[in-house]
Amino acid sequence: DVVMTQTPVSLSVSLGNQASISCRSSQSLLHSDGNTYLSWYLQKPGQSPQLLIYLASNRFSGVSNRFSGSGSGTDFTLKISRVEPEDLGVYYCFQHTHLPLTFGSGTKLEIK
Amino acid sequence: QVQLQQSGAELVKPGSSVKISCKASGYTFTSYDMHWIKQQPGNGLEWIGWIYPGNGNTKYNQKFNGKATLTADKSSSTAYMQLSSLTSEDSAVYFCARGEFGAYFDYWGQGVMVTVSS
Repeated sequence: DVVMTQTPVSLSVSLGNQASISCRSSQSLLHSDGNTYLSWYLQKPGQSPQLLIYLASNRFSGVSNRFSGSGSGTDFTLKISRVEPEDLGVYYCFQHTHLPLTFGSGTKLEIK
Repeated sequence: QVQLQQSGAELVKPGSSVKISCKASGYTFTSYDMHWIKQQPGNGLEWIGWIYPGNGNTKYNQKFNGKATLTADKSSSTAYMQLSSLTSEDSAVYFCARGEFGAYFDYWGQGVMVTVSS
C-alpha cells in the first residue's frame, strides 16, 4: 500500500499568518495517464471532510484562493495564506493513483 | 444541488451484520462512483471501496474483503454498504462520498456512526 506521510502532525498558527502542510507518498503519484491523483481535504470539527484541492494543484469550486496546492511525484504541499478562524480542523492528503486508495494521517490546524 | 443523505446511527451486537444506506440526489446516480470511507473515533480516514452504480462494478480495499459488501439500487438512487461479522474494531463513522473522474471526492454524506456493543 502507498503510505502517505503528513507533517507536521499539528500546527498552531496566528490569524493572518500562513500555514504549510507537507505530504509525502511512498511511491510516485504520477499515473500512466499523465495525471497526479493527489487531493486535499479539510475536516472541520463534527463535520464530514470537504474537498479543497484536486489533481495536486486545482482548487475545487467555491474554495477560497487562500488555499493552494503544489508538488509532483512524491512530494506535495498545501499552503493556507492569511489563516482565518474557519480554517481550523484536520487536513488530509489522499492519493487516488494506486490501489488501495490511501489517506495521510492528518494534520490538525489550531488557531493561536 | 448534489446531496448524499445517509441513514441513522446503528447500535449492533458483536457477530451481527448491519446495512447502511446513502441516498443520492441532485445528479445522475448511475454516472459517478460511490465510495465508502471509515473513520474510527479520534482516528484518520480509511478507504473501504467503491461501486459504480451504472453497472454494479465494485472495487474493494483488500483489508475489507469479506467485511464490507457494496451494492446500489438504481431505482431509488441509493447505495448500500453491508458490514458483516461485526466486532468492536468495526465501531466507527462510515461516510459515503461521490467520486469524480476517478480523482477525488467532491460530495460527502454526513456519516453514519456504527457502534458494536453487547
